[in-house]
Amino acid sequence: ETGVTQSPTHLIKTRGQQVTLRCSSQSGHNTVSWYQQALGQGPQFIFQYYREEENGRGNFPPRFSGLQFPNYSSELNVNALELDDSALYLCASSSGTRADTQYFGPGTRLTVL
Amino acid sequence: SQKIEQNSEALNIQEGKTATLTCNYTNYSPAYLQWYRQDPGRGPVFLLLIRENEKEKRKERLKVTFDTTLKQSLFHITASQPADSATYLCALDTLSTDKLIFGTGTRLQVFP
Repeated sequence: ETGVTQSPTHLIKTRGQQVTLRCSSQSGHNTVSWYQQALGQGPQFIFQYYREEENGRGNFPPRFSGLQFPNYSSELNVNALELDDSALYLCASSSGTRADTQYFGPGTRLTVL
Repeated sequence: SQKIEQNSEALNIQEGKTATLTCNYTNYSPAYLQWYRQDPGRGPVFLLLIRENEKEKRKERLKVTFDTTLKQSLFHITASQPADSATYLCALDTLSTDKLIFGTGTRLQVFP
């Protein structure tokens, strides 16, 4: 069984730039959810993808967008980066679209200067 | 508004003692509640899930209780070890979004 992987592990960007984060889901899982975790906070739900379609979105602006591919891997894109976007971005896969148990990757640490 | 509260203060206990962490929620009616462990700079790891019709769930040294009247879950680690030191997150499903909502987590420090 292959776990959830994310790339890159760390990233430094400047305000206004765009970033793409990548995630490979655990084998057998067709649902991927993305979370943002600021320092000292719990993960905040950004959105979920199921079978290449967005299936639910949290309270994040449209400059946060995503994709899911036929192999169920996923991308998170953030445009017009702001300082407050600095956080740990977590990808989680699950076998269902409800609030099922989430299997998290190691995260991508994004720093916006 | 909906809120999930976990002790923001770190919990420091001595090795061998039982650690008890609290998760309180308001304006939710979750069907189930989950607990995760998170080490610094890592993704959360699933520990236990308890459903609304279950009062208690156990797994090895871990025990979770779920009181839907008090709107509270307690997470216990018995015979705690320094390796149990981490942040513990509770998470609830919500009927409105049908997705997991996480608390802020409580940091547990077990010292020898």
